[in-house]
Amino acid sequence: GQQLNQSPQSMFIQEGEDVSMNCTSSSIFNTWLWYKQDPGEGPVLLIALYKAGELTSNGRLTAQFGITRKDSFLNISASIPSDVGIYFCAGLNFGNEKLTFGTGTRLTIIP
Amino acid sequence: DTAVSQTPKYLVTQMGNDKSIKCEQNLGHDTMYWYKQDSKKFLKIMFSYNNKELIINETVPNRFSPKSPDKAHLNLHINSLELGDSAVYFCASSPSFGGTDTQYFGPGTRLTVL
Repeated sequence: GQQLNQSPQSMFIQEGEDVSMNCTSSSIFNTWLWYKQDPGEGPVLLIALYKAGELTSNGRLTAQFGITRKDSFLNISASIPSDVGIYFCAGLNFGNEKLTFGTGTRLTIIP
Repeated sequence: DTAVSQTPKYLVTQMGNDKSIKCEQNLGHDTMYWYKQDSKKFLKIMFSYNNKELIINETVPNRFSPKSPDKAHLNLHINSLELGDSAVYFCASSPSFGGTDTQYFGPGTRLTVL
C-alpha cells in the first residue's frame, strides 16, 4: 500500500534547538495531519491542515500544507525534553477515511 | 474520562489460539477504526466501521474479524494466531465518515504471539 516518506528518519538534538521534518507523497491529499507518539501510547494529534499552502501553529509547533498537496512540513521551535517521541505525518482524502501514515521521525534530545 | 480506550493493554498468547481485543469510545463519534503498527512502527489501517457497518477492509486475512455491537464499540477477534500477528493494535475514532475529520487514537494493545 501507499506509504508517505518522512525525513529525517531520526534526529538527535540538544534541548533548545529548533527541529524541522518533512513528509512527501507520490499522490495528493486533501488533508495533512501530524501526530506524536510517546512510548507505549497511541498517536496524539498535533496539527491538522486542510488547505494547500496553509500554515498552522500550535504553541511551539508550526506545520505547513505544501502547495502541491504532496508534502507537508513540521517545525518545532526551542525543543524541550517532552518533545521526545516519534512524529508521524498522515494524509487523508475527502470521502476516503483511509489515513495513510508516514514512516515516522524519531526525535531524541541529548542532555 | 478516557476518550478512546482499549483492553487489554498487553496480550501474550501461543500460536494457534483465538483472542479478542476490545475498544470503546465515549466521544459520540460515528466512525471507528483498527490499525496495526509493526515492529518498524509503520501504522496501517485494517478496518473501518461507520454506524456499526463495515466500510473499509484493507485485505486483512479473514482470521481477523471485527465486530461493532454499537457505535461506541469496535472489537477485534483474531482466530488461529500466527507469529506475524505480533504487533501493536490501535483503535481510533472520528466524528463521521466521508469528510476529513481527524482521527483520535486509543493507547494500543501490544499483542505478542509465541
